[in-house]
Amino acid sequence: AQSVAQPEDQVNVAEGNPLTVKCTYSVSGNPYLFWYVQYPNRGLQFLLKYITGDNLVKGSYGFEAEFNKSQTSFHLKKPSALVSDSALYFCAVRDMNNNAGNMLTFGGGTRLMVKP
Amino acid sequence: DAGITQSPRHKVTETGTPVTLRCHQTENHRYMYWYRQDPGHGLRLIHYSYGVKDTDKGEVSDGYSVSRSKTEDFLLTLESATSSQTSVYFCAISESAGEQFFGPGTRLTVL
Repeated sequence: AQSVAQPEDQVNVAEGNPLTVKCTYSVSGNPYLFWYVQYPNRGLQFLLKYITGDNLVKGSYGFEAEFNKSQTSFHLKKPSALVSDSALYFCAVRDMNNNAGNMLTFGGGTRLMVKP
Repeated sequence: DAGITQSPRHKVTETGTPVTLRCHQTENHRYMYWYRQDPGHGLRLIHYSYGVKDTDKGEVSDGYSVSRSKTEDFLLTLESATSSQTSVYFCAISESAGEQFFGPGTRLTVL
């Protein structure tokens, strides 16, 4: 079984400050990990992924995420937040040993609010 | 939205009526998925397809059926809509074990 937890329903940060959106996962094998962003009335947009290799992954719009195997975490980060980063963020996981349809399991989402 | 369209984009229907949602892709990706998004639940997988005529159930498949007769089209059918199926429905595609790409969504209201 695979599961994802996003412990914060909402994260508030001031523009220009660093931001972190937390994600922890559980898989029986090795994980593929993903971050998506959703703007109002839109579909999910892919931000970045971890498959293998460097634990620090860089993605779109200046976002990055750090894979930590010992803590089973994949937190999303950005050094300097923008008001336009305000959106709903989803973490997702796929167990590499689970080949059935390449299914992803999504977390419940974290709303990021960046205030001017 | 990565060559994915969904139709209709909005639909209001009555309890007990059949409803079909369509997902169309121009990317020739092998895998296609239907999710529903509800407040507090994130995205939950309804059904998925791993090829033409090859489909399987996801986490919340009760009350839904799917069909895929062509690579580019994946249909989701609610045989007899209920109010609990009021939701936003998203289609997604992927080619391999990597990321999925999502369509714009269909907002369905069942009265």
